[in-house]
Amino acid sequence: DTGVSQDPRHKITKRGQNVTFRCDPISEHNRLYWYRQTLGQGPEFLTYFQNEAQLEKSRLLSDRFSAERPKGSFSTLEIQRTEQGDSAMYLCASSSGQLYNSPLHFGNGTRLTVT
Amino acid sequence: AQKVTQAQTEISVVEKEDVTLDCVYETRDTTYYLFWYKQPPSGELVFLIRRNSFDEQNEISGRYSWNFQKSTSSFNFTITASQVVDSAVYFCALSEGRGGSNYKLTFGKGTLLTVNP
Repeated sequence: DTGVSQDPRHKITKRGQNVTFRCDPISEHNRLYWYRQTLGQGPEFLTYFQNEAQLEKSRLLSDRFSAERPKGSFSTLEIQRTEQGDSAMYLCASSSGQLYNSPLHFGNGTRLTVT
Repeated sequence: AQKVTQAQTEISVVEKEDVTLDCVYETRDTTYYLFWYKQPPSGELVFLIRRNSFDEQNEISGRYSWNFQKSTSSFNFTITASQVVDSAVYFCALSEGRGGSNYKLTFGKGTLLTVNP
């Protein structure tokens, strides 16, 4: 169990640029989640995959955000035309679908700063 | 709608003191799950405990204990004989139990615990 891996750890970009983050879940986990955490707040749910299917998206996820999980393994989260309000920590988590309500295992996150 | 309230924004204690972190939740569901996560300065959220709504038995794990009371919608977390390594932000979270899915965790704003030597 190597844990959930996220890349990059930090990303600084200029407003209007596109950014893409990657998440590698724990290998046997078929569920993958993206959360966003702003300073002084708890994480907020963005979207959820079961295998390769994206089953739910939060209203927080504007049209500029898109997430994919090809082949049900790693996932990418892309933000187009970034805005300063997108600055946050983006957290990925995974869990096993084999266990009823198994806990989420989180990665270290990608901290995005939009200047 | 679900809501989790952690009224204590920051707590500071001296090592070896006991400390309790409060969590109050709101949900319309009869089946739900409650969680505590620890977020050290490194940033990774570390799972501590999960409790379902039908199990009000308190739990103890080493220096950690949890008190779940449905009557007051509270799920408080106590650290006994605190240590400097316990310094972190602690989050309480809630998920609905319908369909067996826990993906929509609703987190509180967290409590920053600082344990001073």
